[in-house]
Parts: sequence; C-alpha cells; structure tokens
Amino acid sequence: GAVVSQHPSWVICKSGTSVKIECRSLDFQATTMFWYRQFPKQSLMLMATSNEGSKATYEQGVEKDKFLINHASLTLSTLTVTSAHPEDSSFYICSARELPDRVVDTQYFGPGTRLTVL
Amino acid sequence: AQSVAQPEDQVNVAEGNPLTVKCTYSVSGNPYLFWYVQYPNRGLQFLLKYITGDNLVKGSYGFEAEFNKSQTSFHLKKPSALVSDSALYFCAVRGPMDTGRRALTFGSGTRLQVQP
Repeated sequence: GAVVSQHPSWVICKSGTSVKIECRSLDFQATTMFWYRQFPKQSLMLMATSNEGSKATYEQGVEKDKFLINHASLTLSTLTVTSAHPEDSSFYICSARELPDRVVDTQYFGPGTRLTVL
Repeated sequence: AQSVAQPEDQVNVAEGNPLTVKCTYSVSGNPYLFWYVQYPNRGLQFLLKYITGDNLVKGSYGFEAEFNKSQTSFHLKKPSALVSDSALYFCAVRGPMDTGRRALTFGSGTRLQVQP
C-alpha cells in the first residue's frame, strides 16, 4: 500500500511557541490530505481537509488561525500549531488520498505526531 | 449527517477462536465503508473497504467484513484470532459522492484483546 510519513513523531514544546508538523506522501501524489487529532482513548476527529494549491477547509469548531495548514505540493502538507497551549496536546494524524474525488479510494494514514505542550 | 457506531468498547477473545467486531452506520445513499487498525502510538493501517459488489469483503491479515444493507452493518470478522491481532479497531464511513464530503467519519473504536 501507499506510504505516508509524518515528522516529527513526537515533540515537546513550551506554551506559547509554534510547532510545525509535516505530512508527506512518499510514493504517490496526494490530491487531498486530511488532518485529524486524537485524544487518549478516543476516536479520530477531523480537523481540516486540504487540497494542493488551495486553502484548507476547516471543520466547525477548529480555529483556522491557530491550526495553519499549507498544502504546498502534491506530496507535502504541513500543520502549524501556533501559540500552542497545554490543551493542544494531542496525537495529530494526517492522511492522504491519491485519486480524484470522483473515485472512492483508500485514505492512507501517517504514523502520527504526539504533541506535548508544557 | 453520516455516522458510525461501534457498540463495544472492548472485545475479548481467546487465541484461535473466531472474532467479531461490530459496526453499524447511518448515511444517506450508498455507503463506502472502511476498517482500520491502530497499534499503540501509531497511525491507522488500512484493513479493508466496501465500495460495491460482493457483500463479503476480504482484507489484510486474514480479516473480512460483511456488508449488510438491511441491517446497516459492516461487522469485522476473523475465523481464528491471534494474540498479535490485539489492537484498536476503527470502522469508518464516507458518504455518497454527491455530498462532497471526502473525509471519513470514524466510529469510537473497539479495543480487541486476544488472550493466549
């Protein structure tokens, strides 16, 4: 199957700083990438959907100025958590799909990034 | 709005016994259904999907799932469980193409514990 990587796998930062998380599709071009967050023992919650070269679409309740998403190329999307606070501590997972919307294909997930804000 | 329900927080089964992890869905139109598995501190791994066609879908690691439209269910099954199958399993649905919603909606997850 297709491979999606994330970097870093874990990060610890001080409150008020910004953290950037990268999501890369390694062996395919991703038309769409998704960002999820997962709290302990809970399901994945979609944060935003991003398409290469266009603005991300955020889910209701997700602050777009706090969670900046850039999908600069067909293989890279970044999520920047700005002015992070302890409540932003979570497991962030990206996923990517290859084919256009008219085709229902599989989403492939990255290994996740654990963010801890002190 | 589409939704997925996984009624069991945890399923316990002895190694070698068959396992079933339940999933029901709610979506207007034809559903596109997926199962993923998550190991500790890892992302999700794709197991199988139902798009159309045969109601019994075979996937990775010996897993299969049966799509039942009348019961709006998509239960995950395996004839003989392994200890290494112990993990967190998520059922997910994507709505019909014309809804424009490309993201998956996940169930709450079911933890499978296989005892040796």
